[in-house]
Amino acid sequence: DTGVSQNPRHKITKRGQNVTFRCDPISEHNRLYWYRQTLGQGPEFLTYFQNEAQLEKSRLLSDRFSAERPKGSFSTLEIQRTEQGDSAMYLCASSLALGTGSYEQYFGPGTRLTVT
Amino acid sequence: QQPVQSPQAVILREGEDAVINCSSSKALYSVHWYRQKHGEAPVFLMILLKGGEQKGHDKISASFNEKKQQSSLYLTASQLSYSGTYFCGTEKNYGQNFVFGPGTRLSVLP
Repeated sequence: DTGVSQNPRHKITKRGQNVTFRCDPISEHNRLYWYRQTLGQGPEFLTYFQNEAQLEKSRLLSDRFSAERPKGSFSTLEIQRTEQGDSAMYLCASSLALGTGSYEQYFGPGTRLTVT
Repeated sequence: QQPVQSPQAVILREGEDAVINCSSSKALYSVHWYRQKHGEAPVFLMILLKGGEQKGHDKISASFNEKKQQSSLYLTASQLSYSGTYFCGTEKNYGQNFVFGPGTRLSVLP
């Protein structure tokens, strides 16, 4: 257990429905990342926050995806009008970034999304 | 741009050594290494910053050749617990454009 939690752990939804995932990072960490991972692939970067500010968002990310991190604590990732291609493991990670030097990302257990 | 990893997969016997490479076509600020076991989340191994440093702990070490924009992960005297998929992650500037490679699957057999 890294201290990063994600809920739910599994989500099955029908195509066209909206889903929302939650990530609770390690409390003192200022950065929070969202990734998507499909079988046999590396984690694909989606977006990241520094405190409550969303600093970077993947150009590959559809407008159906949105993320928030109100008050710089937990974060939510919403997918609207889900498609079968959205089926994947959604990983959240957090880190303490001090502006220079090294930092490590601590990953949560992930939320597995299945779109039927 | 996603870094390139080689080999894609490697099978070892306990006690053997392995090298996993990660290269980028762009100038990098840092290279991160993670290991992911089946059904689990990635776990941080180490980070190397530009400047061509080398790091290690226990029997796993890594180097970063800034001129070649290439990092290598060295696993010596491999143990069964080393099995998993190894990912390198790269960033061009501190905290920007972080991207994982496709991974190298390592299997250590008794």
